[in-house]
Amino acid sequence: NAGVTQTPKFRVLKTGQSMTLLCAQDMNHEYMYWYRQDPGMGLRLIHYSVGEGTTAKGEVPDGYNVSRLKKQNFLLGLESAAPSQTSVYFCASSPDRNSGNTIYFGEGSWLTVV
Amino acid sequence: AQSVTQLGSHVSVSEGALVLLRCNYSSSVPPYLFWYVQYPNQGLQLLLKYTSAATLVKGINGFEAEFKKSETSFHLTKPSAHMSDAAEYFCAVSVNTGGFKTIFGAGTRLFVKA
Repeated sequence: NAGVTQTPKFRVLKTGQSMTLLCAQDMNHEYMYWYRQDPGMGLRLIHYSVGEGTTAKGEVPDGYNVSRLKKQNFLLGLESAAPSQTSVYFCASSPDRNSGNTIYFGEGSWLTVV
Repeated sequence: AQSVTQLGSHVSVSEGALVLLRCNYSSSVPPYLFWYVQYPNQGLQLLLKYTSAATLVKGINGFEAEFKKSETSFHLTKPSAHMSDAAEYFCAVSVNTGGFKTIFGAGTRLFVKA
């Protein structure tokens, strides 16, 4: 009963370093998302995917890249980390394009850029 | 374009008291409305959702919300607060416009006093 799994859970990066956050879902969902959560700002969509091999920009895509090579996986990359990217990152998925669908979230990845 | 506003970033109630978390939305087409709850160090999970059936929606843990089109509101209530209800609550709006579009509010943190 894993649902949406994110790794790593915690990471500290130095400015300019790169890293990849991994997300896997076992619910055969078509849609996958990456959000960031910052105090007082709720959740902001970084990038999303509507199916294997597709990606699209969300609300705050700058500084991030994503890939969806397999339906169950959605990777978020930071090519050159900046302190402004210190945040909690959530991966999520939903069955399809129906807006009435529930979004299922992972437990979050805490990233600190120093 | 749709938007969602949660009134009050923090709400404090005594154990056993009524919980009322306010959410107002804006949408040019009929919306789907959601409440999600986030417990400390966890991802968001669905509390309840409105998908154009009954206007009074019942969710988990004794919560309910009423869709009021005339007031563009979807306030979350619970008759009697429990210590375990302390969490952050997010209202979200989603519409079927041919593409993915779910917007989250900034969140309301609920404190429950003994």
